[in-house]
Amino acid sequence: KQEVTQIPAALSVPEGENLVLNCSFTDSAIYNLQWFRQDPGKGLTSLLLIQSSQREQTSGRLNASLDKSSGRSTLYIAASQPGDSATYLCAVRSDKIIFGKGTRLHILP
Amino acid sequence: GAVVSQHPSWVICKSGTSVKIECRSLDFQATTMFWYRQFPKQSLMLMATSNEGSKATYEQGVEKDKFLINHASLTLSTLTVTSAHPEDSSFYICSARDIDRAQMNTEAFFGQGTRLTVV
Repeated sequence: KQEVTQIPAALSVPEGENLVLNCSFTDSAIYNLQWFRQDPGKGLTSLLLIQSSQREQTSGRLNASLDKSSGRSTLYIAASQPGDSATYLCAVRSDKIIFGKGTRLHILP
Repeated sequence: GAVVSQHPSWVICKSGTSVKIECRSLDFQATTMFWYRQFPKQSLMLMATSNEGSKATYEQGVEKDKFLINHASLTLSTLTVTSAHPEDSSFYICSARDIDRAQMNTEAFFGQGTRLTVV
């Protein structure tokens, strides 16, 4: 049974810092991994999708890496801004999409 | 990206009543849609997989008679919470997979969610 773990559960950092969010999964037989952002009381915004054959994807200040064999992914956020404050969810797809519990990020102005 | 629309975005209902949530794929056809539930500060948990023209597949622990799913067309799936109780209060989100890009490695598209409060 696939399990997805996100560390840390919560994180507060001053504006401007670079930060890394971690995601690990127990079954490496995945098709892809997707990072989402969720604002309080809102739906999901897709940030980055990494296929199982890829090692990283970049979009603006975001960079996501994937090491499928070790069951790990990281989301790197450069030059953080208060608007980045949200919950970040990692989801892996095998026969189903399984989500981690998320990292609640708070960027301090 | 493709657009998935959910309606309503929030609903308050009395205990014992039924509530219907709609999930529509606006610019693509979806043979498969997924329904998730999210409790406060918890992750999204898959409830069921909805297949157009056939019965839904429910995850273990999800009552199929309480959470009725209908997927009558390639662009619409509905989730009906029957005889709702306060413990059913949650955030419900649907996801759809594009029929023209039905490979397992394609991106998942999610609705904006429905906040259900049962009083």
